[in-house]
Amino acid sequence: EADIYQTPRYLVIGTGKKITLECSQTMGHDKMYWYQQDPGMELHLIHYSYGVNSTEKGDLSSESTVSRIRTEHFPLTLESARPSHTSQYLCASSEYFGGEHYGYTFGSGTRLTVV
Amino acid sequence: AQTVTQSQPEMSVQEAETVTLSCTYDTSENNYYLFWYKQPPSRQMILVIRQEAYKQQNATENRFSVNFQKAAKSFSLKISDSQLGDTAMYFCASMYSGGGADGLTFGKGTHLIIQP
Repeated sequence: EADIYQTPRYLVIGTGKKITLECSQTMGHDKMYWYQQDPGMELHLIHYSYGVNSTEKGDLSSESTVSRIRTEHFPLTLESARPSHTSQYLCASSEYFGGEHYGYTFGSGTRLTVV
Repeated sequence: AQTVTQSQPEMSVQEAETVTLSCTYDTSENNYYLFWYKQPPSRQMILVIRQEAYKQQNATENRFSVNFQKAAKSFSLKISDSQLGDTAMYFCASMYSGGGADGLTFGKGTHLIIQP
């Protein structure tokens, strides 16, 4: 059972609309991430957060923005959706304690289609 | 910067066979982690196996094992007694362990198909 939840699972929306993709985790992880997965399945980091009130841009430039007001919540917002934003968006959090990394836990993803 | 290369876009084997997925990586760091993730069709990505670079012993998890060659920067995944449920995209990934965002760098993936 996933401890990180993404909603909606699928979204079809018109060009110019504002959308927010939700991501919540119940594990108390400080670090959270958003990845964009293109049709060829390649994954690109677009945003990450070290913790509350921390947000950083990732390796791939994105027109989306994120916020981190609570530890468990890391939503991604597109102010004006365009067809080029059509993709799958994966949210993840990472476990790090005792000086060890234990990898990411991923949500089920949001498949966004902008028409 | 780290890079991860998976040279096999797609592989297909018969059920019960053993299959090896290759992965090479490039990093200038001494402390890092390597991972294999599995993404079944339309399902959540899950961690298959994890390896700390400072450990010489190869990680194993049931039917899954790795061949970690640090000098060659190679990190292959072996799946023994393959099952239909192993059909998925498999991603190799690296993570620098020195702090910061600890973002994973992924390879482009290998689509593994297990034939009945």
